[in-house]
Amino acid sequence: QVHLQESGPGLVTPSGTLSLTCAVSGGSISSDNWWNWVRQPPGKGLEWIGEIHHSGSTNYNPSLKSRVTISVDKSKSQFSLKVNSVTAADTAVYYCANNGAYCLDNWGQGTLVTVSS
Amino acid sequence: EIVLTQSPGTLSLSPGQRATLSCRASQSVSSTDLAWYQQKPGQAPRLLIYGASTRATGIPDRFSGSGSGTDFTLTISRLEPEDFAVYYCQQYGRSPPVYTFGQGTKLEI
Repeated sequence: QVHLQESGPGLVTPSGTLSLTCAVSGGSISSDNWWNWVRQPPGKGLEWIGEIHHSGSTNYNPSLKSRVTISVDKSKSQFSLKVNSVTAADTAVYYCANNGAYCLDNWGQGTLVTVSS
Repeated sequence: EIVLTQSPGTLSLSPGQRATLSCRASQSVSSTDLAWYQQKPGQAPRLLIYGASTRATGIPDRFSGSGSGTDFTLTISRLEPEDFAVYYCQQYGRSPPVYTFGQGTKLEI
């Protein structure tokens, strides 16, 4: 099974940009998968952020679309998330995941990002 | 936008008992597009059920999913101590593609 590992700064200042990377190992990022980002504020539920295909096609949650960019780097076997103009409401554990049959069947361990000055 | 409402919010049971968790959609959902996850504290969600009733790889057969249309159910036939966790249902919307989660049911001892 593909292994996913998130990485990036654990602290971001308000109004700044949150940037995370998910490394894909044990499988090809160019397989017919969609690569996803999901977040979970402390003590709350899950929110899907968006997804990318190795071709570069993307889909975003309409509620976040104006602030989010997901990109893929096939040469490094990784995909990335950027969230602009962050506020405290963006504090969350961020997970990367890949899709199964209309579900998310493989998840990274998650990384906590705190937005604070 | 489809909204998923899970009930109850918290379910208190004992090992060996049967658990029934509900997920209601605000409009009809294809069974193909409905999944269930388990999440334990400090861990990522784990896929349990997809296609409303198909167990994911390695999931014990005490977990079962059922339902159609707007009403879906996750049943755990005989609770084991490791089953106490939060459970989420999820729907995949196709136009545009979007994953929507319910708010979760906490299963506690």
